Amino acid sequence: ILNVEQSPQSLHVQEGDSTNFTCSFPSSNFYALHWYRWETAKSPEALFVMTLNGDEKKKGRISATLNTKEGYSYLYIKGSQPEDSATYLCAFWHTGGYQKVTFGTGTKLQVIP
Amino acid sequence: DTGVSQDPRHKITKRGQNVTFRCDPISEHNRLYWYRQTLGQGPEFLTYFQNEAQLEKSRLLSNRFSAERPKGSFSTLEIQRTEQGDSAMYLCASSSEAAWGTDTQYFGPGTRLTVL
Repeated sequence: ILNVEQSPQSLHVQEGDSTNFTCSFPSSNFYALHWYRWETAKSPEALFVMTLNGDEKKKGRISATLNTKEGYSYLYIKGSQPEDSATYLCAFWHTGGYQKVTFGTGTKLQVIP
Repeated sequence: DTGVSQDPRHKITKRGQNVTFRCDPISEHNRLYWYRQTLGQGPEFLTYFQNEAQLEKSRLLSNRFSAERPKGSFSTLEIQRTEQGDSAMYLCASSSEAAWGTDTQYFGPGTRLTVL
């Protein structure tokens, strides 16, 4: 099983603050990197699918970058709002091996009004 | 269509019993995935269908687990002779885009299984 790490595990920020999290994955056999937002008692929601080194994606106040050579992706939230409170998951899709996708354990974000 | 639905949302069973979960994907989505999430972990891939064909199955999956998608629409996941270690959230997702692994997956709310 491949090692996909997310940091930090959790964080609390004040409303209006900007924040970022990291997803680290093996740099070999990269295929795609997915980001999800998972609010409590709701379904995980797809944010981004990233496939190319140097990819940058943006959706409203949320953006993500991808570095496949060094094996990491950053998720940024600008001007955090209470509704951004959720767990943010990354999923690493890869070629080779028998388990084609490995999820990180998530970063739990709490935005304090 | 309101999205992916799963039934039941919660299931409590005794060890040794069989359980079956159902997933109804978004209409016309040809791909369907099953995942399992245990406490403190990220979701773990279980299996994947393209239409009615089961194309991938995790080697981590015990032979007590079986999944079907008989008509390429809804899917069922059955666990036979449940064990306490099967207690988890079982998630279903569907997608329709062409490239496997780069498709946007739409998740259901999950079925939480508790094995006593």
